[in-house]
Amino acid sequence: AQKITQTQPGMFVQEKEAVTLDCTYDTSDQSYGLFWYKQPSSGEMIFLIYQGSYDEQNATEGRYSLNFQKARKSANLVISASQLGDSAMYFCAMREPRGNTPLVFGKGTRLSVIA
Amino acid sequence: KAGVTQTPRYLIKTRGQQVTLSCSPISGHRSVSWYQQTPGQGLQFLFEYFSETQRNKGNFPGRFSGRQFSNSRSEMNVSTLELGDSALYLCASSLGVTGGRDEQFFGPGTRLTVL
Repeated sequence: AQKITQTQPGMFVQEKEAVTLDCTYDTSDQSYGLFWYKQPSSGEMIFLIYQGSYDEQNATEGRYSLNFQKARKSANLVISASQLGDSAMYFCAMREPRGNTPLVFGKGTRLSVIA
Repeated sequence: KAGVTQTPRYLIKTRGQQVTLSCSPISGHRSVSWYQQTPGQGLQFLFEYFSETQRNKGNFPGRFSGRQFSNSRSEMNVSTLELGDSALYLCASSLGVTGGRDEQFFGPGTRLTVL
């Protein structure tokens, strides 16, 4: 069963505007971690932000923030003040720490920033 | 601190051949995970090694194997290559701690083309 769902295959955003990339997840565990990665055309996956299921506050890292709604099982990534260099694939991933399970990735969203 | 390195970056092989990919993790990281990325299937987990032992395994045939050395460097091997094995193979390293946040840092990947 798919555990991570990213419903937006592609998104466009104007430079300097904010954009939200959607991610919903499915788990029966109470303890889990959510990650967002960026993959530019070069191929390397770049870690952006982490949210633990027990974290009370939404995670923020510079221009990246996570809109975490636990009851709705959603962990949307918000990028503020978009830059041309933000154009890339973005992947949401989840890890259930119990049993050292591996990261499970969504299909990704391709973000294109327009000047 | 040096990042995760993968060699070679590009590889072209023919069906039936075998291939070995190498990954050097970030210094101090004991866990190395391998992923296969294709346009159709997305990112799929292959296996994880921690302290020279396979800790997790994805749903791939036995043609895919790996190992980890005492210095945490890891290799993965694919025998009897098939056209469908053409993909970007990503290696990720982490501390390997359990029960919480364990960020994985990815290498640039090895792009394998099977003709």
